[in-house]
Amino acid sequence: ETGVTQSPTHLIKTRGQQVTLRCSSQSGHNTVSWYQQALGQGPQFIFQYYREEENGRGNFPPRFSGLQFPNYSSELNVNALELDDSALYLCASSSDRGRYEQYFGPGTRLTVT
Amino acid sequence: AQSVTQLDSQVPVFEEAPVELRCNYSSSVSVYLFWYVQYPNQGLQLLLKYLSGSTLVKGINGFEAEFNKSQTSFHLRKPSVHISDTAEYFCAVINNFNKFYFGSGTKLNVKP
Repeated sequence: ETGVTQSPTHLIKTRGQQVTLRCSSQSGHNTVSWYQQALGQGPQFIFQYYREEENGRGNFPPRFSGLQFPNYSSELNVNALELDDSALYLCASSSDRGRYEQYFGPGTRLTVT
Repeated sequence: AQSVTQLDSQVPVFEEAPVELRCNYSSSVSVYLFWYVQYPNQGLQLLLKYLSGSTLVKGINGFEAEFNKSQTSFHLRKPSVHISDTAEYFCAVINNFNKFYFGSGTKLNVKP
């Protein structure tokens, strides 16, 4: 059974650019959630996708957007990058049966300069 | 609105000593409670969860937590820690609207 994978592992972007982060959910999981973890802080919920539709959103501006594909993999897109967007971005997947049991990927470290 | 407070940012402890990591939450609705562990440069791993039933929950690696509704707490305990338990621990809640809220984390440093 393959766990949650994320790509890339590290990324450096310039302020104002756009970035796309990718997540492959664990086999059999149809729900993906994205989190932003700034240095020294706990993860902050960005949004969740369930069967290709957004199913909850945290307090993040619209320039944070996402997609979920038929195979339940997901993308997080961030437009007009700001310095404060520098963080570890975590993806977590879960299934209907274990709906509240989320399995996290290793994260993508984004640095905005 | 909900929030999760982890009262200690760092907890130093000697190997084989007991440890308690504190977590309090605020919520006006029913919540589900979780503890996750994060090792350096890794994602989060679920230690244990409380959804319903017995208020004492046992998890992996010898950890347990007790849900106390009157004190709105969900403290994590381990009777005897190992060096390998050195990591950051996060308490989290989820409400009926599928939103997860994490605390700011507690760094457990186990010393020989």
